[in-house]
Amino acid sequence: EAQVTQNPRYLITVTGKKLTVTCSQNMNHEYMSWYRQDPGLGLRQIYYSMNVEVTDKGDVPEGYKVSRKEKRNFPLILESPSPNQTSLYFCASRRQISSYNSPLHFGNGTRLTVT
Amino acid sequence: GENVEQHPSTLSVQEGDSAVIKCTYSDSASNYFPWYKQELGKRPQLIIDIRSNVGEKKDQRIAVTLNKTAKHFSLHITETQPEDSAVYFCAASNDGGSTLGRLYFGRGTQLTVWP
Repeated sequence: EAQVTQNPRYLITVTGKKLTVTCSQNMNHEYMSWYRQDPGLGLRQIYYSMNVEVTDKGDVPEGYKVSRKEKRNFPLILESPSPNQTSLYFCASRRQISSYNSPLHFGNGTRLTVT
Repeated sequence: GENVEQHPSTLSVQEGDSAVIKCTYSDSASNYFPWYKQELGKRPQLIIDIRSNVGEKKDQRIAVTLNKTAKHFSLHITETQPEDSAVYFCAASNDGGSTLGRLYFGRGTQLTVWP
């Protein structure tokens, strides 16, 4: 089944403890992206990648890192999480770099709580 | 970059009535406008989209209209049903410019359809 798989679904951690949220897609998609969703703020892009080894900042990249060593994987790394990074995170991918006729496929989301 | 504003933030309608959600965008170069629906606890999914060379697009009970001059686009849902209850996100993208492929989302509209 074609899908974007994120893990874990839920994560509670403490301030400063490094964590990684994994994202994998099995559709051979070129483009991958991370979003965070907060009440009243919608979906804000953290980082995106147009191809292997090509990543770029979105609108809210501070406090996050990503890597794209393989086409299918796009992990999100929080080196030193803080409470303001408590949020619902979505990984997404699409077939091509262009948006048109290439819908975003979202993962199931990761609800992160930083205490 | 692009700024997408979405109104209203919440919308309640009676089953069978119509619902309209409006979005404005700031970058006149934006040329692709998708709408995503997110049911409670689920991932966002594309429901309809429109390109800037088209003024209106329809798919059964949903339609999207675009006014390039005024830089606004709207989602229309007719004969609403309880299963239409969800958060709806509009988005804008410029697939030909320096921000190739970047989707800018509105803040979302919580639509509730009362039986």
